[in-house]
Amino acid sequence: EDQVTQSPEALRLQEGESSSLNCSYTVSGLRGLFWYRQDPGKGPEFLFTLYSAGEEKEKERLKATLTKKESFLHITAPKPEDSATYLCAVQVPFGGYQKVTFGTGTKLQVIP
Amino acid sequence: GAGVSQSPSNKVTEKGKDVELRCDPISGHTALYWYRQSLGQGLEFLIYFQGNSAPDKSGLPSDRFSAERTGGSVSTLTIQRTQQEDSAVYLCASSLGTDSYNSPLHFGNGTRLTVT
Repeated sequence: EDQVTQSPEALRLQEGESSSLNCSYTVSGLRGLFWYRQDPGKGPEFLFTLYSAGEEKEKERLKATLTKKESFLHITAPKPEDSATYLCAVQVPFGGYQKVTFGTGTKLQVIP
Repeated sequence: GAGVSQSPSNKVTEKGKDVELRCDPISGHTALYWYRQSLGQGLEFLIYFQGNSAPDKSGLPSDRFSAERTGGSVSTLTIQRTQQEDSAVYLCASSLGTDSYNSPLHFGNGTRLTVT
């Protein structure tokens, strides 16, 4: 069974204090790994897709990396507006379509 | 362009009543997904549509839950005889579909369902 585990469950950072969020996965035939940001009362907002081990994507203070077993979301010099829940999801082939399974997320709080 | 639209944004209903939740996907997106998110929990997969057909209904929790999609566009999730444990945020997402695998899901803001 496909499994996606995110850690830590919650993370509190001072503004400017860099850190990383982890997403480890056990799946058969990974097609893609997605990172999303979710603000309270909103749906998840797409950030990145990673396709293969060694790939990296960047957007402002965020950088996502991928290995064969896990992905990291690195946050450099975070600001309070980066506070949100960050979700990762894996896309795998299933019965002729691409099934997308989500982790439970990391709730990030950035303190001014 | 317009994103995924869900209605209503909030729904309060009494236990035992039926509810219908609506999703308008992004135009041209052939794949449509329904997820459920309970307080403090991750996204629980419910059902997937490719066009008007639902090749994967494996996540529907019971036979009280059903969904349909018409015209390859709008989808309705129906919950019959609602129970308190059905209280959650129901999220809809669309994507370009299996011909464009790796295409990310784009989410609406959800319907918050409260069963009293």
